[in-house]
Amino acid sequence: DAGITQSPRYKITETGRQVTLMCHQTWSHSYMFWYRQDLGHGLRLIYYSAAADITDKGEVPDGYVVSRSKTENFPLTLESATRSQTSVYFCASSEFNRGGYTFGSGTRLTVV
Amino acid sequence: DQQVKQNSPSLSVQEGRISILNCDYTNSMFDYFLWYKKYPAEGPTFLISISSIKDKNEDGRFTVFLNKSAKHLSLHIVPSQPGDSAVYFCAASDLLNTGTASKLTFGTGTRLQVML
Repeated sequence: DAGITQSPRYKITETGRQVTLMCHQTWSHSYMFWYRQDLGHGLRLIYYSAAADITDKGEVPDGYVVSRSKTENFPLTLESATRSQTSVYFCASSEFNRGGYTFGSGTRLTVV
Repeated sequence: DQQVKQNSPSLSVQEGRISILNCDYTNSMFDYFLWYKKYPAEGPTFLISISSIKDKNEDGRFTVFLNKSAKHLSLHIVPSQPGDSAVYFCAASDLLNTGTASKLTFGTGTRLQVML
């Protein structure tokens, strides 16, 4: 199916565990982004990528790691999960260098 | 430091009436603005955008107005329909200024409820 998919949709993990959120897009869009949504903060950019093997930090990168070995995949890893990382995470992609992003359906992560 | 602000967390409007959602920004480098709509358990979807060289952009029932001097933009929905009930996010970038990856800065969202 064409589009952008995130997995898992829901995840519960324990404090200190490593967890990886997956993002896959079928359009070969150059740009990909990870945002987190929290009440009172809207959507905040964690990391973004302009192309394979090119990534850069966003507004709230601490505690997260990304990679982009293939254009279509942009996984987000929480190296040692903390309760403050409980959030809804959205992946997005964009073909052109403008803001018409297409978002995935999100991953709701709970850290207990 | 909230660079994009949506000061109204919620708005209720009668079906058929106009909905006006407001957004203010503080970063004078922002030159491209977007509105996204989000339903529960779904990702945001792009609705409409405007660049700083314009003061109005219209797409069907949706119109975005930009007042650069006031650093203010608004989204007008006319007429409002029950299916418009969602959370609306305002977003901004400095795309035209930097020409680089358009990192969007989002507001906190306004929940619109259109009542029958």
